[in-house]
Amino acid sequence: AQSVTQLDSQVPVFEEAPVELRCNYSSSVSVYLFWYVQYPNQGLQLLLKYLSGSTLVKGINGFEAEFNKSQTSFHLRKPSVHISDTAEYFCAVSAPQGGSEKLVFGKGTKLTVNP
Amino acid sequence: DTAVSQTPKYLVTQMGNDKSIKCEQNLGHDTMYWYKQDSKKFLKIMFSYNNKELIINETVPNRFSPKSPDKAHLNLHINSLELGDSAVYFCASSLRGTSDYEQYFGPGTRLTVT
Repeated sequence: AQSVTQLDSQVPVFEEAPVELRCNYSSSVSVYLFWYVQYPNQGLQLLLKYLSGSTLVKGINGFEAEFNKSQTSFHLRKPSVHISDTAEYFCAVSAPQGGSEKLVFGKGTKLTVNP
Repeated sequence: DTAVSQTPKYLVTQMGNDKSIKCEQNLGHDTMYWYKQDSKKFLKIMFSYNNKELIINETVPNRFSPKSPDKAHLNLHINSLELGDSAVYFCASSLRGTSDYEQYFGPGTRLTVT
């Protein structure tokens, strides 16, 4: 069965500092990985996804993530954060079931960017 | 021109009542989902429908009954509401058989049971 572990429940950083949000996964089948962002009182928006190919994936808003198969990780990074990046970030793995795909989410990491 | 829409956005009701949440997508997708986000922000799938057929039912109580009148709509009816049903419910959609695998989420419905 697929599972996702987000190692940090909260990450406080100062504006313009770099940030890394950690994600480890467990999967017995082909891996499709996603990072979603949830701004306060809003729905989920896709930041980036890894399906195949290059292990370095670039997403929206300056975020990128690196797929590491040997370490079963998919960490999210941004070189310089803004106040507006304050949000909840969810790592997810796509798990096939009954001919469909479901997303299995980690418990989320709350990123707080301070001035 | 919202891609995935849900109504209502907020729903406050008393224990024992029956309520419905509606979801519509205009993306031409054929697969729709319901996810539940609890008070600790944990997201878990409840149901998945493909072309009006139930594909995934993730051990959800029988009080929850999804209905898909067509592939653009997936509604969620909840009977005999309990305090533990308080959560944010997200609808999502995707297109099966593509290499995309992305699910598009609605804005959520915050259900509060008192």
